[in-house]
Amino acid sequence: GAVVSQHPSWVICKSGTSVKIECRSLDFQATTMFWYRQFPKQSLMLMATSNEGSKATYEQGVEKDKFLINHASLTLSTLTVTSAHPEDSSFYICSAIPRDRLYEQYFGPGTRLTVT
Amino acid sequence: QQQVKQSPQSLIVQKGGISIINCAYENTAFDYFPWYQQFPGKGPALLIAIRPDVSEKKEGRFTISFNKSAKQFSLHIMDSQPGDSATYFCAASRRWGGADGLTFGKGTHLIIQP
Repeated sequence: GAVVSQHPSWVICKSGTSVKIECRSLDFQATTMFWYRQFPKQSLMLMATSNEGSKATYEQGVEKDKFLINHASLTLSTLTVTSAHPEDSSFYICSAIPRDRLYEQYFGPGTRLTVT
Repeated sequence: QQQVKQSPQSLIVQKGGISIINCAYENTAFDYFPWYQQFPGKGPALLIAIRPDVSEKKEGRFTISFNKSAKQFSLHIMDSQPGDSATYFCAASRRWGGADGLTFGKGTHLIIQP
């Protein structure tokens, strides 16, 4: 149990376009989901905290108008990268906390975004 | 400001040996210290975690040692196996389970030689 999926697993888009990444908790409900960004051979950097039914909380330095986060249900959060640029190319990883097990956190497999 | 410093950046250990990875933190508000294992192209998976009121925690071949006064903690992998070859991240959070998000170290690329 406690599986988190991401879709797509990899995506290539052109500069200036927008791309949406989905994060789903498959076998549990999650009131809180997180979005992280990881550059090649680098650490994970927390981008934002997503709570179901409310606006996301963004970390300092993360442009909320560029990285749109929607947590529409207890099992789905989406990250939309708007007007993508090559420097947005990265590995995006989400994680989720089960609403009935607040002391556990499960990570998705990540989405590789390449902007050309 | 990097709040969690991790070393070494890379580590090569012979099969059967002990792998040791170290981390140091700055924020005394941190109350949860997990270690994650990540394979290429995959998300991190929780290995083991500890609270600052415990000096050591062991789960199978994995042990966390914690030194609150020095603000340091380490991961020991006993009887290291080739399948342990991966990138390991230490992390910290103010809430157990990382409920307010995790601050990660830069990672250690571990290679276990057969």
